[in-house]
Amino acid sequence: DGGITQSPKYLFRKEGQNVTLSCEQNLNHDAMYWYRQDPGQGLRLIYYSQIVNDFQKGDIAEGYSVSREKKESFPLTVTSAQKNPTAFYLCASSADRVQPQHFGDGTRLSIL
Amino acid sequence: QKEVEQNSGPLSVPEGAIASLNCTYSDRGSQSFFWYRQYSGKSPELIMFIYSNGDKEDGRFTAQLNKASQYVSLLIRDSQPSDSATYLCEADNQGGKLIFGQGTELSVKP
Repeated sequence: DGGITQSPKYLFRKEGQNVTLSCEQNLNHDAMYWYRQDPGQGLRLIYYSQIVNDFQKGDIAEGYSVSREKKESFPLTVTSAQKNPTAFYLCASSADRVQPQHFGDGTRLSIL
Repeated sequence: QKEVEQNSGPLSVPEGAIASLNCTYSDRGSQSFFWYRQYSGKSPELIMFIYSNGDKEDGRFTAQLNKASQYVSLLIRDSQPSDSATYLCEADNQGGKLIFGQGTELSVKP
């Protein structure tokens, strides 16, 4: 079955540590997105990519980095510069920006 | 002004009633509109999408788009307790991004 796989489901970060969240899709979608969701809040866009080897900052990119070396993969690194990383992180993909997004099951990140 | 605005709710309706969820957007160039449902602790799932003015029906769900008023809505007929969730409105913008509203929490009371 086609879909989006995010891993791990739960992740714990120590102070000063960088962590990387994985997102893989086998839908052959060109566009991929990373969102952050805090409790009781909406989705905020961190980064998005419309094509391989290209990505743009979203509304809250500070403290995060991404790469898009392969069409099916869009990993997100939460750096030590992100002082409040505890949140639910969602990866999504779409055929293009006018098509619906498909979401992964998310990764919950907490600080130890 | 937020690019995509929704009433945060909560919106409470009795079982069997029609739930009406509203969304306004600021970019007149927006062409694509989506409604997602998100259960607590889960990821969003697509309910409806609409590209043209007018109504689009799918089972108990109807999406309505009025580009002149920059308004899109979602009607849920015969609401069920299982419809209780947060509903997210999303629109594209001319900058190439897809923008979410804050979401409306719907509670359907038995």
